[in-house]
Amino acid sequence: DAGVTQSPTHLIKTRGQQVTLRCSPKSGHDTVSWYQQALGQGPQFIFQYYEEEERQRGNFPDRFSGHQFPNYSSELNVNALLLGDSALYLCASSAVGPTLGYTFGSGTRLTVV
Amino acid sequence: GEDVEQSLFLSVREGDSSVINCTYTDSSSTYLYWYKQEPGAGLQLLTYIFSNMDMKQDQRLTVLLNKKDKHLSLRIADTQTGDSAIYFCAERGTGGGADGLTFGKGTHLIIQP
Repeated sequence: DAGVTQSPTHLIKTRGQQVTLRCSPKSGHDTVSWYQQALGQGPQFIFQYYEEEERQRGNFPDRFSGHQFPNYSSELNVNALLLGDSALYLCASSAVGPTLGYTFGSGTRLTVV
Repeated sequence: GEDVEQSLFLSVREGDSSVINCTYTDSSSTYLYWYKQEPGAGLQLLTYIFSNMDMKQDQRLTVLLNKKDKHLSLRIADTQTGDSAIYFCAERGTGGGADGLTFGKGTHLIIQP
C-alpha cells in the first residue's frame, strides 16, 4: 500500500520563476494538506484541500496556490519565487471525519537561487 | 495565536529513558501529536493523544498530557541509536476537520554510546 507520494524530490529554480509540486495521497485518503519546512524549523501549514476546494489556509501570501483533482491528488504552485521560499515542502493526506491519521510524504526540496 | 514550544536539543545515553517536553497555547486543541523526522526524510507519526486523556502508552512510548498547564511530554524507554532524530510536537485545533497542524521547532535527540 503506497503512502503519500511527492514529486519531484529535488528542484532548483531561479528567483522570479514559478514552480509546481505534486502530491498523490495515501490510498483511501481524500484530504490533502501542504506544509513548508524551512531549514531548522518545524513545518508550517500552507493550506488544505478537500473535494477540490481549499478548506483552510495558513499565513501564506497569494503567491502560494493549489489545486486538487478528482482523484484526490494535489498540486502546490508558487509564483514569483523568492530566495526565502527555499524549503522542504511536505504533503500530508488524511481522511475526513474524526480520524487522526495525517500521513506525510518525504517532501520536495526546493532551492531558489 | 497558536504557539508550540520545545527544547531544541536533548542528549541521553543509550539504554536510558528520553523525555521530550512540549508546551502549547491553544486551549481548544483537540488532538496532540508526536512526529519523528530522520535526516532527509518526511514526518513519521509516532503517537497521539486526545485532549481528554492524561496518558497514553504504546510499547516504548509514553505520552503524558497536563491540560491545565498545556504541557505534553514524550517518554522513550530504553533509548536506542535508531531513535536519534528530530521529534516534533504538534497540535490540532477544532476547525471541524479543516484544520492544519501547528508544529513546534523540533527537539534533536542525540544518543550517546
